[in-house]
Amino acid sequence: GENVEQHPSTLSVQEGDSAVIKCTYSDSASNYFPWYKQELGKGPQLIIDIRSNVGEKKDQRIAVTLNKTAKHFSLHITETQPEDSAVYFCAAYKKTSYDKVIFGPGTSLSVIP
Amino acid sequence: NAGVMQNPRHLVRRRGQEARLRCSPMKGHSHVYWYRQLPEEGLKFMVYLQKENIIDESGMPKERFSAEFPKEGPSILRIQQVVRGDSAAYFCASHHSGLAGVLFNEQFFGPGTRLTVL
Repeated sequence: GENVEQHPSTLSVQEGDSAVIKCTYSDSASNYFPWYKQELGKGPQLIIDIRSNVGEKKDQRIAVTLNKTAKHFSLHITETQPEDSAVYFCAAYKKTSYDKVIFGPGTSLSVIP
Repeated sequence: NAGVMQNPRHLVRRRGQEARLRCSPMKGHSHVYWYRQLPEEGLKFMVYLQKENIIDESGMPKERFSAEFPKEGPSILRIQQVVRGDSAAYFCASHHSGLAGVLFNEQFFGPGTRLTVL
């Protein structure tokens, strides 16, 4: 069945260091990969995304990479700040009769000042 | 320009009672999704609705759970005869009808309802 795996489940980094979260997906029909940030007590919020025909995308301190052949995609956060502390979810999307999104289990990131 | 609203934010029920969770999508959005999030897990799809129609309820348990999105008013997720295993955060998300040529209709999430079953 459709599945998205995500590692690590928890990640602690020193402020200023980089953080990397990795995901794999099973459904080769997936063609869009959004990343969500969920702060405590709030709903997930889209922070960056990447299409299947693109290998890398960057937005300021955040970058995503995609290896479609291996079905891997990753989130890279550079120069981490305490406000980056949150739970991050990767997701794989495909268009069926509607927008079907499969979420990974999440990574709890802690940035230590 | 309010975002997706959910109420109540916290709901406590005793086993056997009913839980009613409400979701008001963003203005202009006619597509609503409900997700369940168990502690330390990701979001699991439950049901997708458009106005007055259930499009896909494959992620929702067949018994005790129901959802609706009436022509007027919020979407309702209803859980009858709640059990302790129903304790979770329930999120709804909405998007608009979609634009031609747009690959992905971003889903905007509400703050969630945290259901605790005693």
